[in-house]
Amino acid sequence: NAGVTQTPKFQVLKTGQSMTLQCAQDMNHEYMSWYRQDPGMGLRLIHYSVGAGITDQGEVPNGYNVSRSTTEDFPLRLLSAAPSQTSVYFCASSYSGRGQGEQFFGPGTRLTVL
Amino acid sequence: DQQVKQNSPSLSVQEGRISILNCDYTNSMFDYFLWYKKYPAEGPTFLISISSIKDKNEDGRFTVFLNKSAKHLSLHIVPSQPGDSAVYFCAASAHPNAGNMLTFGGGTRLMVKP
Repeated sequence: NAGVTQTPKFQVLKTGQSMTLQCAQDMNHEYMSWYRQDPGMGLRLIHYSVGAGITDQGEVPNGYNVSRSTTEDFPLRLLSAAPSQTSVYFCASSYSGRGQGEQFFGPGTRLTVL
Repeated sequence: DQQVKQNSPSLSVQEGRISILNCDYTNSMFDYFLWYKKYPAEGPTFLISISSIKDKNEDGRFTVFLNKSAKHLSLHIVPSQPGDSAVYFCAASAHPNAGNMLTFGGGTRLMVKP
């Protein structure tokens, strides 16, 4: 199993550009999430999905869109990049329900918006 | 306002000694707590968890203690090893929780000196 994969690893955008961060998992997990990590802030939830076709907002959703057409894939779209979106982005997946242990995280995408 | 706080940004410990990482939370709805470990350029990996019905959970060298009345938890690593050097994140989950969402603290960087 590859686990959770993310592409690209690094990306530099100019203000106003759009892009999609890719995330895929091969563990047949129902739950998938996107987090961003900023210095001293820990990881903050952007959007999450409890299954194909179902998504919802997390703590910091503004400026980001998601969709979940398959169980495996959960792309994150930046419609018009802003310098405040400079961050490291992590995708995560897990089985449904709590108390079953961990979420599995991808290696991250480091995004810089100039 | 951060609901999960790790007040020590860094901690330095000698190899073989005990490492104690602390975490405080404010949300009374949190009832499941996790610790994640993160190496540079990698995603966080699950370390250990504890449910609010317990006050202690142990896994090898790692023990998590939960004090519900103080809204405080701690991670003990005994004995500490150089390979334990990483950033440790405390995370919490509330009930109900539709998407297995986690709220993270800001992280503590642990350095274990040989």
